[in-house]
Amino acid sequence: DQQVKQNSPSLSVQEGRISILNCDYTNSMFDYFLWYKKYPAEGPTFLISISSIKDKNEDGRFTVFLNKSAKHLSLHIVPSQPGDSAVYFCAASGGGTSYGKLTFGQGTILTVHP
Amino acid sequence: DGGITQSPKYLFRKEGQNVTLSCEQNLNHDAMYWYRQDPGQGLRLIYYSQIVNDFQKGDIAEGYSVSREKKESFPLTVTSAQKNPTAFYLCASSYSGSRDEQFFGPGTRLTVL
Repeated sequence: DQQVKQNSPSLSVQEGRISILNCDYTNSMFDYFLWYKKYPAEGPTFLISISSIKDKNEDGRFTVFLNKSAKHLSLHIVPSQPGDSAVYFCAASGGGTSYGKLTFGQGTILTVHP
Repeated sequence: DGGITQSPKYLFRKEGQNVTLSCEQNLNHDAMYWYRQDPGQGLRLIYYSQIVNDFQKGDIAEGYSVSREKKESFPLTVTSAQKNPTAFYLCASSYSGSRDEQFFGPGTRLTVL
């Protein structure tokens, strides 16, 4: 059972435009969400996170939006740059005994064309 | 430099052999994790440890074993019971009980021939 889903395997965007990566989750216990960026043959690196008490968090070119009623979050990258080309994973965690344990989506390959 | 090291980067083993993947961190993190990544799939949790001498099974623990004798080290053994061991293995660490992000190592690509 895939509790975190990224339904778009890939996304292609022109440099300077906005990139929007989407993520859906099914587990209502999830209350903390993170986005990671990954280059081939490397470990993921943290980008941005959001707690369920917020609906938006911004860090430079990166903004994450959370819609709890729809169980949906999105990552906006503005403006997109060729160096942003990578695989993006969303991840979620819940409280209680699963504290700190992350559940990842399948990833979306972002390609930013010059 | 603080960080997580995994060695080796590429590992080849014959079918039926056990193999141990190394993971070391000098970030003073209490919690450590092992994930597996397969093509077109996300990271799946194998085992995690919140504190020394304690660890829990993740979502796909069958065919794997771990130990946590030192805070800095969390080796993963891929046993012959793991039916499809060829994959990219990632180790991560974080402050225990923290909502902060997990820091990942560079990964080990294991190929079983």
